Parts: sequence; structure tokens; C-alpha cells
Amino acid sequence: DAGITQSPRHKVTETGTPVTLRCHQTENHRYMYWYRQDPGHGLRLIHYSYGVKDTDKGEVSDGYSVSRSKTEDFLLTLESATSSQTSVYFCAISGFGEATDTQYFGPGTRLTVL
Amino acid sequence: TQLLEQSPQFLSIQEGENLTVYCNSSSVFSSLQWYRQEPGEGPVLLVTVVTGGEVKKLKRLTFQFGDARKDSSLHITAAQPGDTGLYLCAGAGSSASKIIFGSGTRLSIRP
Repeated sequence: DAGITQSPRHKVTETGTPVTLRCHQTENHRYMYWYRQDPGHGLRLIHYSYGVKDTDKGEVSDGYSVSRSKTEDFLLTLESATSSQTSVYFCAISGFGEATDTQYFGPGTRLTVL
Repeated sequence: TQLLEQSPQFLSIQEGENLTVYCNSSSVFSSLQWYRQEPGEGPVLLVTVVTGGEVKKLKRLTFQFGDARKDSSLHITAAQPGDTGLYLCAGAGSSASKIIFGSGTRLSIRP
């Protein structure tokens, strides 16, 4: 199994509070991704990174920011959480960013915004 | 906006039966992947198909990419309880940042 951990695994927070989710990898992969998974929507890309300090927006980036100061860590921040951001968040990694690459997913973080 | 529709959304069958899950789009994809996800875990890649008409087999699972690269199917022969899970298809454009996931087919195999 690829070495990907996410923390926390579960979080309950209140509307308007900041939240940071962490993804840590031990595979030295260049590409890292944040997805959210909601019923009826599958997985949707929030942001991704193609190297240290190199990030770009995905399909549903509004309300989210990311940072990558080290190869192994990719942080997702909700500056002011809203109930619509209640979801399961997955981090993924891949070596080359190609469409045919294998993406390895972390175990997910279940976030509830009350 | 590219969309991938999966059908059926839910499927519950008896152990030993065969089944087919479909993934359809009006868009052309350069490649398509199938993932399986178990409760409380992230998706795990099963297969990648890149050529129109391509067929790949993984034990009892057969994956086909449509000739026009707009659709794909997953056929399971003699389903086992271990096949239970959420099956996701994902179609790609030019890079991994352009991957679109379907909403999934939740498969339950009854012993």
C-alpha cells in the first residue's frame, strides 16, 4: 500500500471556523491532489499540486486554499467553513501527473460542518 | 462540462451471478480508469484502458473501452461477496488534473 495518511480522520466543526486538513506521503511522489466525495457526485477535484509551492485549482476550488511547503505534505484549508463543505475529503498522489497514472488515495477525512 | 454517467446506481445480486456496470458520456476521453472503493477507505485502481475497443481482463472482471472512447463497461463473472463495493469510472482528458469521476455503482453481493 502507498504510504499516504490523512489527519484528522474525522472532524466536526461549526460554520465560520477555519479548518485545515493534512495529507502526508512517504512515496516522494511529485503530484498530490485533494478531492471531495459527495453522494451523487462521485469525486471532484478541489486543488492539486505539481511540486513544492506549485499548486493549481480544480473543478470545485471556491472556498478552499492549499499549501505545499514540503514534498511530503499537502494541506487543505477551509478559511471559513460552511455547511455545504460537509463532505468526505480524499488526498491522492501520483508520480507523473499523466491521465494514465495510477492515483493512490488516502483513507479520507470525514468533515461535518454544523 | 464533461459528465460521466454510471448505471445502475445500485445493484444487489446473488453470489455466482454475472453482472455488467456501465459508464457513459457524450465526451471523448483519452483514457478511462475503473476504481473500487470499500467503506471507510479510498478508491483503489483496478484498470486503465487507453485504446478504443480495448478489452482487459482481471481474473473474473472484464473491462471494455468503447470504440469511440465515450463509454466503458465492467463485467463480473460469478460474483463473489468480496466483489462488494463502490465501483467508480474516471475519464481523463490530457492530464490527471482533468480526470472526471462518475458517481459510482454500489454493488452488493449476497451470499
